[in-house]
Amino acid sequence: GAGVSQSPSNKVTEKGKDVELRCDPISGHTALYWYRQSLGQGLEFLIYFQGNSAPDKSGLPSDRFSAERTGGSVSTLTIQRTQQEDSAVYLCASSSVPRDHPTSYGYTFGSGTRLTVV
Amino acid sequence: EDKVVQSPLSLVVHEGDTVTLNCSYEVTNFRSLLWYKQEKKAPTFLFMLTSSGIEKKSGRLSSILDKKELFSILNITATQTGDSAVYLCAVGGPQKLVFGQGTRLTINP
Repeated sequence: GAGVSQSPSNKVTEKGKDVELRCDPISGHTALYWYRQSLGQGLEFLIYFQGNSAPDKSGLPSDRFSAERTGGSVSTLTIQRTQQEDSAVYLCASSSVPRDHPTSYGYTFGSGTRLTVV
Repeated sequence: EDKVVQSPLSLVVHEGDTVTLNCSYEVTNFRSLLWYKQEKKAPTFLFMLTSSGIEKKSGRLSSILDKKELFSILNITATQTGDSAVYLCAVGGPQKLVFGQGTRLTINP
């Protein structure tokens, strides 16, 4: 696609329910990232996928959070047993990261999913 | 722990003014510093500064990186109402970026 697409754009869920957030990166981008932005805060790194390598999950805040990337393209971020502190905007980004040009990594962000846990 | 601090957190000026936004950082492995503009949800890329490119300019926007003092500034001259946004500074890459909390800039007509 022309840009990074995320769905849904807004999600309201009850505390304790599971949610799935979807990210469709730019075609051909091998790197995909998930970030979280709480109200009035900067972006917090969650997880990074690069090609077929094992993902960097070091930013996931708890074991209730998981993410998959199928076929090197679409990614799903799953939050189980949601809590009110999970309320935030979840942003996905993708980039083409040539391994021999490590400075060429301006991300393209999607418009995010605003998650509200009530 | 890697850390990026932006100041001020909020700034209100009149159209036509010049503004300077600050970003200081402490990271164990510096690769680059990036500036983004966030108007609604999706941050849009402005500049990337590295050891080999410590000053960038695009129209009314310019940025400088001081690797010795570990900070960067983003300058906007002749501000317009369309410059109103949150400006984010981030350090690191490519695996992950550490973001500052952002500066909310409001340009009043």
